Amino acid sequence: NAGVTQTPKFRVLKTGQSMTLLCAQDMNHEYMYWYRQDPGMGLRLIHYSVGEGTTAKGEVPDGYNVSRLKKQNFLLGLESAAPSQTSVYFCASSSIASGAVGLFFGEGSRLTVL
Amino acid sequence: AQSVTQLDSQVPVFEEAPVELRCNYSSSVSVYLFWYVQYPNQGLQLLLKYLSGSTLVESINGFEAEFNKSQTSFHLRKPSVHISDTAEYFCAVSVTPGNQFYFGTGTSLTVIP
Repeated sequence: NAGVTQTPKFRVLKTGQSMTLLCAQDMNHEYMYWYRQDPGMGLRLIHYSVGEGTTAKGEVPDGYNVSRLKKQNFLLGLESAAPSQTSVYFCASSSIASGAVGLFFGEGSRLTVL
Repeated sequence: AQSVTQLDSQVPVFEEAPVELRCNYSSSVSVYLFWYVQYPNQGLQLLLKYLSGSTLVESINGFEAEFNKSQTSFHLRKPSVHISDTAEYFCAVSVTPGNQFYFGTGTSLTVIP
């Protein structure tokens, strides 16, 4: 049982390049989330999804797009990377029943934009 | 939207000493409360949670947290810390329906030998 898996774990981009982060979960969770973690700012929600085919904006959505074509996958895209997007990105999932289960996190993806 | 406040960004403590990491939240409705721990270069792991019932909850590694509704707090405590407890600790609140989770900015606990 892998839980939540993120790929890639590390990536270096030049300003203006594009990339996609992939999140996969094998727990049949309905909810999936993308967070970014920056020093002194905790975790900030970028986008989230309440089910296959649906996505919604979080606290800091600008510059990112997401897609949830399959229930187990949640993709985070950067169309034109900027140095301000240098961060550690975490994917998480949770059960739809309630918030009682809590979030299950991936190991993180460290992105550097030069 | 909810807000979660962790007043202490860094907490240094000597090994075997007690520690308290503070967490306050803003909410006038029922919430679920969580503490997560993040070891260096790893993802976040659930440490403990309060859903309902007893206001004192415990983890398997000696941490405990007490839900105080009147003070809207969920402070994390451990009577005797170990070197291995050095990590970042995040308090989080979940409000239903919606499965929205709100995080504090984290407290870096450093245990000094």
